[in-house]
Amino acid sequence: KQEVTQIPAALSVPEGENLVLNCSFTDSAIYNLQWFRQDPGKGLTSLLLIQSSQREQTSGRLNASLDKSSGRSTLYIAASQPGDSATYLCAAEILTGGGNKLTFGTGTQLKVEL
Amino acid sequence: DTGVSQDPRHKITKRGQNVTFRCDPISEHNRLYWYRQTLGQGPEFLTYFQNEAQLEKSRLLSDRFSAERPKGSFSTLEIQRTEQGDSAMYLCASSPLQGGETQYFGPGTRLLVL
Repeated sequence: KQEVTQIPAALSVPEGENLVLNCSFTDSAIYNLQWFRQDPGKGLTSLLLIQSSQREQTSGRLNASLDKSSGRSTLYIAASQPGDSATYLCAAEILTGGGNKLTFGTGTQLKVEL
Repeated sequence: DTGVSQDPRHKITKRGQNVTFRCDPISEHNRLYWYRQTLGQGPEFLTYFQNEAQLEKSRLLSDRFSAERPKGSFSTLEIQRTEQGDSAMYLCASSPLQGGETQYFGPGTRLLVL
């Protein structure tokens, strides 16, 4: 059974700081690894998707890496802003009989302070 | 069509009552997923449809839960004889049939069972 763990559970940083969020998964047979953002009481917004054959993906100030062999992914946020405050979730996608499903971590709650 | 929509956004019910939630996926998305998220946790997979066929159900989905997707368009999730432990955010997501695509999430339905 795939298990996904995220560290830290919460993080508070001053504006402008670069930061790294960590995600680990137990089963390396993943189809892809995704990072989502969730604002309080809202649904999820996809940030980055890394295919199993890829090592990293970049979008603006965000960079995500994937190391399947060690079962780890990191999300790097450069020059953090107060608008980045949210919960960040990583999810491992696996192929099941006839489809695919996401297994999520418990998230890292990020607060960027002025 | 701007995204996945869910109705209602909030539902308060008394223990023992039945509730039904609706999800409208992005047009032409063949795949539709239901997840449940409790406070402080990541979403947990409940069930998955490809067109009108329900291809997988989690063991989290007890006999009191039933989901349908008639004609492969919108989907409904019904909970019979609700219990306080059913209180959670119920999230719907959709994705295209081809692999490598992210899942697009709706805003969720927050259920409170009194």
